[in-house]
Amino acid sequence: GAGVSQSPSNKVTEKGKDVELRCDPISGHTALYWYRQSLGQGLEFLIYFQGNSAPDKSGLPSDRFSAERTGGSVSTLTIQRTQQEDSAVYLCASSLGTVTNEKLFFGSGTQLSVL
Amino acid sequence: KQEVTQIPAALSVPEGENLVLNCSFTDSAIYNLQWFRQDPGKGLTSLLLIQSSQREQTSGRLNASLDKSSGRSTLYIAASQPGDSATYLCAVNTGTASKLTFGTGTRLQVTL
Repeated sequence: GAGVSQSPSNKVTEKGKDVELRCDPISGHTALYWYRQSLGQGLEFLIYFQGNSAPDKSGLPSDRFSAERTGGSVSTLTIQRTQQEDSAVYLCASSLGTVTNEKLFFGSGTQLSVL
Repeated sequence: KQEVTQIPAALSVPEGENLVLNCSFTDSAIYNLQWFRQDPGKGLTSLLLIQSSQREQTSGRLNASLDKSSGRSTLYIAASQPGDSATYLCAVNTGTASKLTFGTGTRLQVTL
């Protein structure tokens, strides 16, 4: 695709429900990243994929958070038993190589609101 | 732990002014630094990427400089326009394939 695509753009859910957020990176980009942006906070790294593998999951806040990537393309971030503190904008980014050499291209994000 | 600070947090300038945004980082052992802009409700757009061996990068009216030893970068915007209004973020990579550490941004408003 022309850019990084994320869906849904907005998600409202009730506390305790599970949610799935989807990211479709730029075609050919091997690296994929998930970040979280909370109100008034900087961007917080969650997880990094190279191909289908996740060599760095160190930013996932708890075991309620998981992510997978299939076919070296689409990625899904799953949050189980959502809590109000999970409310944030979840941003996906991709790059041709890794951030040691390449620019990051971001999607427009998914605004998650947990009531 | 790398910390990135951006000052000021917000800035309002009249159209046509030249301006400088500041970014400082605590660990000078970086591989590169990127400047992004973020429009309301949108993702981030990469503006400039400076490798650690470089001193500056230019794109149109934008010029970013890097002084690694002092832990500082500046983004210079020449002849500002209302369309430049956005939040500008800097981010540093300290050599891991995964992580960029972001500042909290400078919110810029260019007024007519």
